[in-house]
Amino acid sequence: QVQLVQSGAEVKEPGASVKISCKASGYTFTSYAIHWVRQAPGQRLEWMGWITAVNGNTKSSQQFQGRVTITRDTSATTVYMEMSNLGSEDTAVYYCVRNRGGSGGNINYFDFWGQGTLVTVSS
Amino acid sequence: QTVVTQEPSFSVSPGGTVTLTCALSSGSVSSSYYPSWYQQTPGQAPRTLIYNMNIRSSGVPDRFSGSILGNKAALTITGAQADDESDYYCVLYMGSGIWVFGGGTKLTVL
Repeated sequence: QVQLVQSGAEVKEPGASVKISCKASGYTFTSYAIHWVRQAPGQRLEWMGWITAVNGNTKSSQQFQGRVTITRDTSATTVYMEMSNLGSEDTAVYYCVRNRGGSGGNINYFDFWGQGTLVTVSS
Repeated sequence: QTVVTQEPSFSVSPGGTVTLTCALSSGSVSSSYYPSWYQQTPGQAPRTLIYNMNIRSSGVPDRFSGSILGNKAALTITGAQADDESDYYCVLYMGSGIWVFGGGTKLTVL
């Protein structure tokens, strides 16, 4: 069965960086893109960006460009999201999610979600 | 920047029908936006309900349905149950690899 298992909670000081992992299993890793979505406490879901596992192409929301780096390790079937220069507003649960389909195709949506990783930014 | 708008909250009686909507700040939602819907309960990851506007994800009860109503995407729950009390999010594909979530609707069943 498809699983996305994320790394554990992190506590970081303002200005630091954090790197979260998302281990995929149960499917052909290179056949799907993985997206990152975050949710601040009591707030809405917020799309951050994606990576195509087959070739490592990435796209990020303009809001996060320059601060977020998404990478993957195909041998480990793992995707990483690194965010730099953290501020208190980055305190949130971060989710990885698989994208089934793609633009121009018949389907295009998020089908399987990781369990989420809480990142707390506090001095 | 395009904004995707949902009703902040909605209330439905048990057994009743409710329609939640998902609108664009500019323009009409169509199938080319690949509208999809997600249910989230507190402390849990979202669960996929509807994709491609009106296709139910595996295991989703048929009381959940998706459509386009006028210029908005819509999620209808027919015969609401207590455990439908959740937050519901839509997301739209804007093209060029960009996705935008709506603000979410908090549904109360009482």
